[in-house]
Amino acid sequence: DQQVKQNSPSLSVQEGRISILNCDYTNSMFDYFLWYKKYPAEGPTFLISISSIKDKNEDGRFTVFLNKSAKHLSLHIVPSQPGDSAVYFCAASGNTDKLIFGTGTRLQVFP
Amino acid sequence: EADIYQTPRYLVIGTGKKITLECSQTMGHDKMYWYQQDPGMELHLIHYSYGVNSTEKGDLSSESTVSRIRTEHFPLTLESARPSHTSQYLCASKTRDTNTGELFFGEGSRLTVL
Repeated sequence: DQQVKQNSPSLSVQEGRISILNCDYTNSMFDYFLWYKKYPAEGPTFLISISSIKDKNEDGRFTVFLNKSAKHLSLHIVPSQPGDSAVYFCAASGNTDKLIFGTGTRLQVFP
Repeated sequence: EADIYQTPRYLVIGTGKKITLECSQTMGHDKMYWYQQDPGMELHLIHYSYGVNSTEKGDLSSESTVSRIRTEHFPLTLESARPSHTSQYLCASKTRDTNTGELFFGEGSRLTVL
C-alpha cells in the first residue's frame, strides 16, 4: 500500500508558465515533507521541504503548499524554465527518519 | 554541494557474479542509506545504518548485504547476482541531529545483470 502517491506520471508546461506538481499521502503520522528533483542518470537532489506546522514554504521560484486536512501537498514552480525538466519526487517522514517516496512526476518544460 | 560518491556508475555483469557497490561520503554523516529504484517507480529503502557497526534492513526485502566498518563507507554486496537485481541503486546520507533534514544522494549505480 503506497503511503505517498503522485498520481500524475508526467506534466508538460510551457516555459514561463506555472508548473504544479501534486502529492497525496495516507499516513497521518507524517510530519515532514520534501521534494526532490532527479535528472536522468543522476541521484535525486533536495529542492524544498515543509514541516507540518506550516502550510506554505517558499524558496525563490519554488513554493510548497501543505493541506493537512486533505493530506495533500503541491509544489509550484513559477516561472517554469527548460532546466526544470526532470523527475520530481515527493517524500515524507514521520516518527522515524526514514523517508517514504512517491513514484515521481516527470516535468517537461517546453519553449 | 554534497560529497557522496558511488562507484561504479554503471555495471553490466553475468548471472552468478559477486558484486560490490561502493558508497563513500566525506561529510562525517552518521546516517547512511541504500535505496533501490526502477524506472517510473518510487525509491525503496533496502538498507540503512545509524553508525559504525550498525546496519538494518529497510522496508523492501533485498538479497543484498551491507557493512559499516567506517563512518564514511557503506558498501552494498550481492553474493550472486541475478537478472531480478537489475535496477538503480542510490546511496544517501544525512546528519544524526534530527529526524528531519534532507538526504544527500550519490549519483547512483545502475546495475544490469544478464
